Amino acid sequence: KNEVEQSPQNLTAQEGEFITINCSYSVGISALHWLQQHPGGGIVSLFMLSSGKKKHGRLIATINIQEKHSSLHITASHPRDSAVYICAVRTGAQKLVFGQGTRLTINP
Amino acid sequence: KAGVTQTPRYLIKTRGQQVTLSCSPISGHRSVSWYQQTPGQGLQFLFEYFSETQRNKGNFPGRFSGRQFSNSRSEMNVSTLELGDSALYLCASSLASSQNEQFFGPGTRLTVL
Repeated sequence: KNEVEQSPQNLTAQEGEFITINCSYSVGISALHWLQQHPGGGIVSLFMLSSGKKKHGRLIATINIQEKHSSLHITASHPRDSAVYICAVRTGAQKLVFGQGTRLTINP
Repeated sequence: KAGVTQTPRYLIKTRGQQVTLSCSPISGHRSVSWYQQTPGQGLQFLFEYFSETQRNKGNFPGRFSGRQFSNSRSEMNVSTLELGDSALYLCASSLASSQNEQFFGPGTRLTVL
């Protein structure tokens, strides 16, 4: 079993829908990252969080340390949000362990 | 501020050869981490350098090595290339530690024939 599991693996939605991507992990962590990867490979760091909730524009990330679970929400989704979203956790050994990613497609 | 740059962007090698990839971090960033991304394994941590010292290492064979220079630029080297080394190699820089927010480069796509 992977230390970091994301769901769903693929998600297709219509423009304007509310999107939720989930990340569960099985190890102790010091922080959790949400990353966005567009076709062509470039990765952008969206959030780094160790507790609670963060918001940036239409994106919201939450983490529940006790349940070892994090969610990434996108409100009023837009075709430009289409990308692969990757959850990564920083373990006690200070290494980043990545989930397999969620491929999101937003249709106009 | 210029972003993280990686050279070359694309590379084709044959089995048994060696390759060196370069990463220039954002000015002022002292930590550089390297990652391998493949369709089968996803993103995996290779190593992290800080102040010319390897601070952390992932579970990769000794054929994968790296170094960091006094100006924080970093190189990674893969010797005796195997077909399975074909991947996108990404580096990321951060201010003082990979615990800070990381900024990723565009990657080097290596194809081993």
